[in-house]
Amino acid sequence: SYVLTQPPSVSVAPGQTARIACGGNNIETKSVHWFQQKAGQAPVLVVFDDTDRPSGIPERFSGSNSGNTATLIISRVEAGDEADYYCQVWDSSGDHPGIFGGGTKLTVL
Amino acid sequence: EVQLVESGGGLIQPGGSLRLSCAASGFSVSRYYMSWVRQAPGKGLEWVSVLYSVGGAYYADSVKGRFTISRDNSKNTLFLQLNRLTVDDTAVYYCAREGLGIRALDIWGQGTMVTVSS
Repeated sequence: SYVLTQPPSVSVAPGQTARIACGGNNIETKSVHWFQQKAGQAPVLVVFDDTDRPSGIPERFSGSNSGNTATLIISRVEAGDEADYYCQVWDSSGDHPGIFGGGTKLTVL
Repeated sequence: EVQLVESGGGLIQPGGSLRLSCAASGFSVSRYYMSWVRQAPGKGLEWVSVLYSVGGAYYADSVKGRFTISRDNSKNTLFLQLNRLTVDDTAVYYCAREGLGIRALDIWGQGTMVTVSS
């Protein structure tokens, strides 16, 4: 089945740019969605279809998808961005279509 | 307001059964793809099951044959029947909605905790 690989952790100073990678075989052919999960809370969709933002999500959140890597980009990082981030795709080739990456802990230094 | 509220979690012995509910408000579950996602303590998100608006359902290998997803349109509620539970099923269970026209889980409930222990 399809596998998504994320780094366990990423650290960044306030005001800098955080990049969180999500690796998958030929992932550029899939639509990648990103979720933010703060401690003790339910996940929140922050980027869908590789690059789009739901209403209410700051423009600081963006995404890209090329080759075997999709990337969540958080510009001008704030302390409130500290959270776990998960990438997700739907794999229509199998009969268990929902796939999540292992998650990345973003630490704001 | 568009909202999902899960219930039905609790402490259950291995081998037991439980039915989780997810009550929707502000939209009709019958018109949307609806998923269950779980998160074991200290672990990442794991997709469990999806029910399509036209009625088809899919399951993760880890729960196939033991869990059943369904909905009651009259109650606007999604369900997950959990049978033959094991300690590995201990997790917070979230229900989530896929947005119309986008295959992204745009609305999530707050989750309900299932603890399988003797």
